[in-house]
Amino acid sequence: SAVISQKPSRDICQRGTSLTIQCQVDSQVTMMFWYRQQPGQSLTLIATANQGSEATYESGFVIDKFPISRPNLTFSTLTVSNMSPEDSSIYLCSVPSGETQYFGPGTRLLVL
Amino acid sequence: SQQGEEDPQALSIQEGENATMNCSYKTSINNLQWYRQNSGRGLVHLILIRSNEREKHSGRLRVTLDTSKKSSSLLITASRAADTASYFCATDDNYGQNFVFGPGTRLSVLP
Repeated sequence: SAVISQKPSRDICQRGTSLTIQCQVDSQVTMMFWYRQQPGQSLTLIATANQGSEATYESGFVIDKFPISRPNLTFSTLTVSNMSPEDSSIYLCSVPSGETQYFGPGTRLLVL
Repeated sequence: SQQGEEDPQALSIQEGENATMNCSYKTSINNLQWYRQNSGRGLVHLILIRSNEREKHSGRLRVTLDTSKKSSSLLITASRAADTASYFCATDDNYGQNFVFGPGTRLSVLP
């Protein structure tokens, strides 16, 4: 199983600012996923990040709002840009392993 | 649109009792998986059941899958206070690359 870490674990931000979330995996993986979990809700996939290519965004999510970097096979970042209180959520990265996915511990974001 | 739907949304039981959560989905799947999330933290994988399987056990967990009804259930036997968490089903139609999560069931196990 993969061991995944995320930074920061939580943050409180002012509206209009941006936050970059880091995801580090202890093994090389081709594909990484970024999810958003709004308060009391389930997980929604934001985008799939493949090393060496542009991230693929799901409907309702755009690159200008959630730019993603994937500089190598063990690391990815998700930026939440020009934040508003509606962006307050837990953001999780995950990696596929066989038929399942392993998740990072999440980044809890509160936007004031 | 959301694939998996779970019921109940919230469940409160006494320690030692069994807890049953249900998940329904809409389209064809390769497998269905259950995850646990403690207090808004990361998700922990519990169990996977493939579309050609009907029942699977892992410790105190029992999962069933009825593809004709497009539904699954997760049974936790002899519950403990430490089982208090949110439980999510996730359907997958692309071997780990296309998960769709249900809304989840919040389980509270009272000591």
